[in-house]
Amino acid sequence: QKEVEQNSGPLSVPEGAIASLNCTYSDRGSQSFFWYRQYSGKSPELIMFIYSNGDKEDGRFTAQLNKASQYVSLLIRDSQPSDSATYLCADNQGGKLIFGQGTELSVKP
Amino acid sequence: GAVVSQHPSWVICKSGTSVKIECRSLDFQATTMFWYRQFPKQSLMLMATSNEGSKATYEQGVEKDKFLINHASLTLSTLTVTSAHPEDSSFYICSASEGGRNTQYFGPGTRLTVL
Repeated sequence: QKEVEQNSGPLSVPEGAIASLNCTYSDRGSQSFFWYRQYSGKSPELIMFIYSNGDKEDGRFTAQLNKASQYVSLLIRDSQPSDSATYLCADNQGGKLIFGQGTELSVKP
Repeated sequence: GAVVSQHPSWVICKSGTSVKIECRSLDFQATTMFWYRQFPKQSLMLMATSNEGSKATYEQGVEKDKFLINHASLTLSTLTVTSAHPEDSSFYICSASEGGRNTQYFGPGTRLTVL
């Protein structure tokens, strides 16, 4: 059973800080990963995807992938209260997404 | 771009009735559509994958005769919950991806409440 693990949180950070969200996966052959943000009662919104080892930056977001250690992370710089949501990590398995349970982030003003 | 719509956004029905949910890709052709279910405080659970013009592939434990999926065109997929019961109450979300691309774009979801 291919699995994706995330700490459910809640992770609480002050406004303006860096929020670090982590995800580990079980399938050593996995190639690409997606990060989605989900506000309460809403459907997931795509933040970014990553498929190469190293960092990928998009605005305030940086995704990091380490295939040797089988982890993926998402950094959010200058966190804002509007970033408060659940962040879902997903392993792309041939077009199907295997989701982690999500990490709840709370950014305090 | 990459907008996916769902209709209805919420529905309340009596136990034993059937409910149809539509999922449309508005500005791209979705060769593959996915149906998820999400219970409160839980992550998304993939129910089935459908490709245009072919039968849906259901995940283990999902009853295909209860959750009927039709993907008749490149922009429309429907999920019909047949003989709904209170335990089917959930948040149903579809997603769509364009041919050859792995990125899934999610619809806004449909909240089903079965009384």
